[in-house]
Amino acid sequence: AQTVTQSQPEMSVQEAETVTLSCTYDTSESDYYLFWYKQPPSRQMILVIRQEAYKQQNATENRFSVNFQKAAKSFSLKISDSQLGDAAMYFCACRTQGGSEKLVFGKGMKLTVNP
Amino acid sequence: GAGVSQTPSNKVTEKGKYVELRCDPISGHTALYWYRQSLGQGPEFLIYFQGTGAADDSGLPNDRFFAVRPEGSVSTLKIQRTERGDSAVYLCASSRMGLQETQYFGPGTRLLVL
Repeated sequence: AQTVTQSQPEMSVQEAETVTLSCTYDTSESDYYLFWYKQPPSRQMILVIRQEAYKQQNATENRFSVNFQKAAKSFSLKISDSQLGDAAMYFCACRTQGGSEKLVFGKGMKLTVNP
Repeated sequence: GAGVSQTPSNKVTEKGKYVELRCDPISGHTALYWYRQSLGQGPEFLIYFQGTGAADDSGLPNDRFFAVRPEGSVSTLKIQRTERGDSAVYLCASSRMGLQETQYFGPGTRLLVL
């Protein structure tokens, strides 16, 4: 069974600053994917970034990048130049290859961006 | 194109009643997922459809929960004899067939059982 742990329930950052959200996971599978989703008050889960476990290079999407440490089973999200619109709940998730490919989520972390 | 839609947006019901929650996936997406998100938690998997068939229903908590997708598009999650513990946001997601595809989520239905 997979587990995903987000140990920080809340964080805050000043606008234009950088913040890092942490996530650890556990899986016995060798082939899996990791995701960060953002959930604003509208409730809709929005994909921020994804990382294939077989890729050594860390994924980057504009202001969002990850630090993927496979041996440590760590998958942190870095948000650069934080914007007010980044304020939301952030969920880390893991999905294994094959089968139903269901997502297993962490408990989430609330990010506040201060102007 | 249109995203995943879910109706109703909010549903209030009384303990013991029957409810149906609807999900309209993105056109052409053959995979459909239901998740349940309790307050302060991340979403938890309920059931997965590939086409019309439920390929994995291991997340359904008990036999009061049932889901269908008769024509391989719209899906309905049905909850019988609702209990207060069923109160949660029910999220639907869809993806194109095949591995490695991103799941796109709808806005969810917030169910409150009084």
